[in-house]
Amino acid sequence: QKEVEQDPGPLSVPEGAIVSLNCTYSNSAFQYFMWYRQYSRKGPELLMYTYSSGNKEDGRFTAQVDKSSKYISLFIRDSQPSDSATYLCAMSGGGFKTIFGAGTRLFVKA
Amino acid sequence: DTAVSQTPKYLVTQMGNDKSIKCEQNLGHDTMYWYKQDSKKFLKIMFSYNNKELIINETVPNRFSPKSPDKAHLNLHINSLELGDSAVYFCASSQRTGRISYNSPLHFGNGTRLTVT
Repeated sequence: QKEVEQDPGPLSVPEGAIVSLNCTYSNSAFQYFMWYRQYSRKGPELLMYTYSSGNKEDGRFTAQVDKSSKYISLFIRDSQPSDSATYLCAMSGGGFKTIFGAGTRLFVKA
Repeated sequence: DTAVSQTPKYLVTQMGNDKSIKCEQNLGHDTMYWYKQDSKKFLKIMFSYNNKELIINETVPNRFSPKSPDKAHLNLHINSLELGDSAVYFCASSQRTGRISYNSPLHFGNGTRLTVT
């Protein structure tokens, strides 16, 4: 079993939809949770960064962490075609090693 | 202006050759990494240097040798290239910080797309 599981998709939604992306993990030592967005032929860029359980909101993006279920989510409201990208969840225990999910490919259709 | 820059962007070479990839960061971070991303977009850590000291060395063939001349630079040299080495290689950096000492999130370069024929 991988440490971090993420459905690779692809996920296709119409413009304006609410998108829900999820990851599960097995290592209870993870405390720092991140979502990265990666456009084609570019490096991953940090979208959201949360510590421990709870919610964090930034514009149209909301990250949720449920440590008791070992489950994290990213919600995108009012999705736009420019949101079409691969979304990678990532997590660490605070040390030097960050573990990534496989990434979910998202397509937002105009 | 680029925070983490890698060169070259594309690298096409034949099996058996030796090649190098260079990385520089201007964020003032003290930790740098090499990640490999395969065709399915899975990102896997290869190496990490903190203040020029090797701290992570995953099960990577010893044909891969990283070198960090200073905190702002991390290079990757690959000997005797094989077909399976074809992938996108990302350099990243972070900063060890905080009273309880944790790593900030990674900042990535735009990758080097290596194709071995």
